[in-house]
Amino acid sequence: NAGVTQTPKFRILKIGQSMTLQCTQDMNHNYMYWYRQDPGMGLKLIYYSVGAGITDKGEVPNGYNVSRSTTEDFPLRLELAAPSQTSVYFCASTTRGGAVAKNIQYFGAGTRLSVL
Amino acid sequence: GENVEQHPSTLSVQEGDSAVIKCTYSDSASNYFPWYKQELGKRPQLIIDIRSNVGEKKDQRIAVTLNKTAKHFSLHITETQPEDSAVYFCAASVDTNAGKSTFGDGTTLTVKP
Repeated sequence: NAGVTQTPKFRILKIGQSMTLQCTQDMNHNYMYWYRQDPGMGLKLIYYSVGAGITDKGEVPNGYNVSRSTTEDFPLRLELAAPSQTSVYFCASTTRGGAVAKNIQYFGAGTRLSVL
Repeated sequence: GENVEQHPSTLSVQEGDSAVIKCTYSDSASNYFPWYKQELGKRPQLIIDIRSNVGEKKDQRIAVTLNKTAKHFSLHITETQPEDSAVYFCAASVDTNAGKSTFGDGTTLTVKP
């Protein structure tokens, strides 16, 4: 049981390049999330998904796209990288929530992205 | 949308002392309040959480209190140890979508031996 796995761990992009950050979980969680964390700041929600085929915008979605074709995978796409997207990206997953659910959020190890 | 403010941004204590970190939130619909510990270069890890039907929760040396009327909640760490040194984040969300959280900006706790 690997939990939440993110690849790559590090990446340097040139301005205007594109890339996909991969995220996969093996816990059969319905809910998955992408956050970015800028230096000295908390996490900001980019996109989230409540199940396969369903995605929605979070707090800071501009410049990103996501898809959720399977329960396990939730890739994040950067189409035209900009220096403002330099950040650490965390993927997370949780079970469906509820008043008595133990819906702990599990985080991946993060992807450190620099756009130069 | 939800707004979470966290204070202080940095906190330095002597080993064995207590540490208190406070957060306020704006959205009365929020009913799930987790606290995360993040060591340098690591992922956030849940250390304790509280739901709005509870006023206080304790787990060994850490405790969280919640005042729904005033919309604030606090993390208390007693008998601090050097390994407690890390960045601590509070968050607020609606319970049924716990990951759609709004995070505070973090508190850097330093425990001096």
